[in-house]
Amino acid sequence: AQKVTQAQTEISVVEKEDVTLDCVYETRDTTYYLFWYKQPPSGELVFLIRRNSFDEQNEISGRYSWNFQKSTSSFNFTITASQVVDSAVYFCALSRDDKIIFGKGTRLHILP
Amino acid sequence: DVKVTQSSRYLVKRTGEKVFLECVQDMDHENMFWYRQDPGLGLRLIYFSYDVKMKEKGDIPEGYSVSREKKERFSLILESASTNQTSMYLCASSPPSQGGETQYFGPGTRLLVL
Repeated sequence: AQKVTQAQTEISVVEKEDVTLDCVYETRDTTYYLFWYKQPPSGELVFLIRRNSFDEQNEISGRYSWNFQKSTSSFNFTITASQVVDSAVYFCALSRDDKIIFGKGTRLHILP
Repeated sequence: DVKVTQSSRYLVKRTGEKVFLECVQDMDHENMFWYRQDPGLGLRLIYFSYDVKMKEKGDIPEGYSVSREKKERFSLILESASTNQTSMYLCASSPPSQGGETQYFGPGTRLLVL
C-alpha cells in the first residue's frame, strides 16, 4: 500500500535557523511522483515542487531545497535561513494513479 | 495563472440542512477533487471526477455526494449535514495524465455544523 509519513508533527525554530522537514514514503510503483505543498494560515495549499521518481537530483529554489533519496525512500525539504513568513503547515505527498495521497503534515513555527 | 475558487470561505449550517459547496476552476482541467482536512488526519479524499458527469468515490465518501454538470464546476453536497462533518473542505483540479499530475487547490471552505 502507498503511504507517506511525516514523523515531525510540529517544529519550532528561531528565525534565520535552517530547518529540515522529513518525509518518508512507501510505494510499489516503479514510476511515481513526489510533491511538497505549503499551507499558510490562510488555508490554501500552495504547490512547491513535483519530483519524478527517475530524477534523483537535488533541487534548490532560493532558500528552499529538496533531497530525494530512493535508497531510503525519503524526500526531505530544507529551508535555509528561515523567515517568519515560512510559518505554515507543510505536506509531503505521493502520486497514486491519477490521485495524490498526502502525509499528515508538519506544522512549522518560525519564531522572531 | 492557475485559479481555483470556492464559493465560501466560512459557512455555518444546522444539523440536517442540505449543504452545497461549489468549486470552479478556470484552467480547463479534466480532473477535479474534493478533500476534507481535519487536525491530525491530514487531507482525505472524498470524491473525484475525471470528466463531466463522471464521479468516483474517494476514501471517505459516506455522507457526501457530488455533481459535475460542467467541466469547470464541481459541487460537493452534504444531503443532511451532521456535526461530524464540521471540517475544512478543499477543492483541487489537475490536468489528465497517466498519473502524478500536480493538483492546484482552492482557498478552502471552513464548515461548521451546529
